[in-house]
Amino acid sequence: AQSVAQPEDQVNVAEGNPLTVKCTYSVSGNPYLFWYVQYPNRGLQFLLKYITGDNLVKGSYGFEAEFNKSQTSFHLKKPSALVSDSALYFCAVRLTPRSNYQLIWGAGTKLIIKP
Amino acid sequence: GAVVSQHPSWVICKSGTSVKIECRSLDFQATTMFWYRQFPKQSLMLMATSNEGSKATYEQGVEKDKFLINHASLTLSTLTVTSAHPEDSSFYICSASSGATSTDTQYFGPGTRLTVL
Repeated sequence: AQSVAQPEDQVNVAEGNPLTVKCTYSVSGNPYLFWYVQYPNRGLQFLLKYITGDNLVKGSYGFEAEFNKSQTSFHLKKPSALVSDSALYFCAVRLTPRSNYQLIWGAGTKLIIKP
Repeated sequence: GAVVSQHPSWVICKSGTSVKIECRSLDFQATTMFWYRQFPKQSLMLMATSNEGSKATYEQGVEKDKFLINHASLTLSTLTVTSAHPEDSSFYICSASSGATSTDTQYFGPGTRLTVL
C-alpha cells in the first residue's frame, strides 16, 4: 500500500539548534512531495514542495527539505530553530498521474522548540 | 497571494440541524477544491474532491447524502452537514488548487470547528 510515514510523533529542540523532522514514503512512480505546517486551531500553511530538479528545496520561514530518492525520504530541516516554529508538521505526497491529484498524508509530527 | 478563507470559523448547533460551511479562494480561481476532516491529534482525512461545475468525488466511507458539497463557482465551494449528530463534531478544513495538474499546490483554509450538541 502506498503510504507516508513520519516516524516521530514529537520532536523537541532547543531554540537556536538545528532541527530535523523526518518523512519517508512508499509509493510507486515519481511522487511530488510537500510539507505543511499547522498552528493550533488553524488550517495548514504550505511550506515547500519538491517536484523535480535540485534535491534541496528551500521554502517559507527558513525551512528547507532534502529529497533522497534512494532512501525515499524528504526530511524537513532548519539550521536554527525558533520558539515560533513550534507547531504540527505534515508531510504529504501527491501521486502522479492520478485523476484527482489526491494527497497522501503523514500522521504529523509535533515540533516543540524550547527557549 | 493564494489565500483561502472559510466561514464560519466555528459553529455550535443542535443535533438534527444542518450546517453550511463556505470555502472561498480570495485571490485565485480554484479549479479544484478539497474537503478534509481532522480529528484531535490526527492527520487530515480527505472527504471529497470537487471540480467547478461538476459533482464532487467522495472518498470511500463518506456519505454523500450527509455531506453535501457544491462547487458553484471558481472561487466558492460549500460543505453542508445535513442532520448533524454529535459524532459529526470535528474540525473541517478545505483546500483549493488553481490548476488541474498534479504539480499544483493545495492552499488551505483556516478550518471550521463544528460542535454538535
